[in-house]
Amino acid sequence: NAGVTQTPKFRILKIGQSMTLQCTQDMNHNYMYWYRQDPGMGLKLIYYSVGAGITDKGEVPNGYNVSRSTTEDFPLRLELAAPSQTSVYFCASSSPPYRASSYEQYFGPGTRLTVT
Amino acid sequence: RKEVEQDPGPFNVPEGATVAFNCTYSNSASQSFFWYRQDCRKEPKLLMSVYSSGNEDGRFTAQLNRASQYISLLIRDSKLSDSATYLCVVSSGAGSYQLTFGKGTKLSVIP
Repeated sequence: NAGVTQTPKFRILKIGQSMTLQCTQDMNHNYMYWYRQDPGMGLKLIYYSVGAGITDKGEVPNGYNVSRSTTEDFPLRLELAAPSQTSVYFCASSSPPYRASSYEQYFGPGTRLTVT
Repeated sequence: RKEVEQDPGPFNVPEGATVAFNCTYSNSASQSFFWYRQDCRKEPKLLMSVYSSGNEDGRFTAQLNRASQYISLLIRDSKLSDSATYLCVVSSGAGSYQLTFGKGTKLSVIP
């Protein structure tokens, strides 16, 4: 299993540009998450999904959109990029809550985004 | 605001030392507790879950005090490879699969 994969690894955007961060998992996990991590800060939840077709906002959703058309994929869309969106973005997945290991989240390697 | 508070460190300790990290959380409804490890410029990975009775995994011991809303991690006989940032993580509420992450405590083990 590859686990959780993310592309791209690095990206530089100009203010106002848009992009999609890709996330794929091959563990058949229902639950998927997007976090951002700013230097010296904890991970902040942007959006999450409990299954295909179902998404919900996390703590810091403004400026982002997500979709979940399949179990495997959970792309994050940035519209009109701003310098405040410069961060490291992590995608994660986990099993449903009724499984013993459900609370362990498996993270992808991250995407380092700079908006200038 | 529901938060997880950790001492940011850094903790600089010699090889072989014992080091302890502390964490407090504000959401009394939290049911699940974890320590994650994050290496420099890498993703977080689960180190261990934390149970009310306390639990041990080799050189690592985690403890939970629900009354004080306090979690600890003890690392014995520190190795160079233990150098990383340790994240205290709690579930966001009863039955919640959402996690709240602390900012992390940085550990450097020195030869």
